Amino acid sequence: QVQLQESGPGLVKPSQTLSLTCTVSGGSISSDGYYWSWIRQPAGKGLEWIGRIYISGSTNYNPSLKSRVTISVDTSKNQFSLKLSSVTAADTAIYYCARFASLLRDGFDYRWFDPWGQGTLVTVSS
Amino acid sequence: DIQLTQSPSFLSASVGDRVTITCRASQGISSYLAWYQQKPGKAPKLLIYAASTLQSGVPSRFSGSGSGTEFTLTINSLQPEDFATYHCQQLNSYPVTFGGGTKVEIK
Repeated sequence: QVQLQESGPGLVKPSQTLSLTCTVSGGSISSDGYYWSWIRQPAGKGLEWIGRIYISGSTNYNPSLKSRVTISVDTSKNQFSLKLSSVTAADTAIYYCARFASLLRDGFDYRWFDPWGQGTLVTVSS
Repeated sequence: DIQLTQSPSFLSASVGDRVTITCRASQGISSYLAWYQQKPGKAPKLLIYAASTLQSGVPSRFSGSGSGTEFTLTINSLQPEDFATYHCQQLNSYPVTFGGGTKVEIK
């Protein structure tokens, strides 16, 4: 079964760029019908979708973060990555990667996020 | 952006209780709604998608209903392992958004 694992620095200084990688195992990142997403969750708060990428390189970003976010994919390594620039303390959160599925069946486009990585805490502090 | 309002934000219940959580969307989202369960220190786990389709492996005591702007998640006969936070999510349009969460605690 497909599993996702986030990796990257747990501490980033203010104004610098946060960089995380999600490694996909147990399946190919190039499988049809799947997009690869990043979601974050500040401590004790709700979930915020950051963006997604398809293997073609096509991306969608949350407008609230769009000016600072870049998501890329490396199919040769079965990985996708997140870069968030000019970080502040407000970017401190647990960052999750997840697979977004879109399955057309019986005339309906079924959509869901599954599986998720275990999450990685990124703290922005000097 | 589509806003999702979950209610209640917190509820206290006993093992064996029937629990209902509501999620209201600020505009119609057809049936593009999913529910997730999250336990402390863990990633969210998919329970239901397309408003009422149970994810494989999820116990049948979980059920979802609704379409348009109002949705419910029902847990029949609450079990000890069900005490967690539940999140709704709309996938009708971008950006994808989540509700604020409902924490279910033991009475």
